Amino acid sequence: DTEVTQTPKHLVMGMTNKKSLKCEQHMGHRAMYWYKQKAKKPPELMFVYSYEKLSINESVPSRFSPECPNSSLLNLHLHALQPEDSALYLCASSQDHLRVLQETQYFGPGTRLLVL
Amino acid sequence: ELKVEQNPLFLSMQEGKNYTIYCNYSTTSDRLYWYRQDPGKSLESLFVLLSNGAVKQEGRLMASLDTKARLSTLHITAAVHDLSATYFCAVENYGGSQGNLIFGKGTKLSVKP
Repeated sequence: DTEVTQTPKHLVMGMTNKKSLKCEQHMGHRAMYWYKQKAKKPPELMFVYSYEKLSINESVPSRFSPECPNSSLLNLHLHALQPEDSALYLCASSQDHLRVLQETQYFGPGTRLLVL
Repeated sequence: ELKVEQNPLFLSMQEGKNYTIYCNYSTTSDRLYWYRQDPGKSLESLFVLLSNGAVKQEGRLMASLDTKARLSTLHITAAVHDLSATYFCAVENYGGSQGNLIFGKGTKLSVKP
């Protein structure tokens, strides 16, 4: 099973709302990632969790708050977002942080977020 | 700072033709990945290239890596409509945020009958 699942598939929220994106994998992967992808652009890394600890934060605004409750789950909490935060949010996982083991990242289907 | 450049960014080809997509990167790395993305969908891993001279083939797609030239190619043989998608190369960043991937801008491939 090489599946990464994400919920919800679509999300519309106002600028004052609080919402969460969820990501799950059952491949035993110990590294999980959040990416943001704007239309017709490549994915941009936001956060990396390695062994349930935040290892990379690519200078993401604090209105995005990641959480890794256990090795299979990754959340992204959203609060006071701006319209320019509208994008496809992709979760990915890999067996380990890429430099250690030679494997690719597996991507989930994404959550399409619209901020009004 | 690692930069990854793909060309062309747009490619319209006829079925049955061959073409190559190029991926250049600016600093040392010996790990390069190719992904495919269909419209509105997620990224699908195509190839993982882990050493100089690596060549991998899957169906009508073949990818290669020349780490000395900092160049990877994705060659399409006898294109079919099903190959229409956006193709991204991604290079592992050794500096700064180690282990993360830097993506090229993508090549949008359209295969026409």
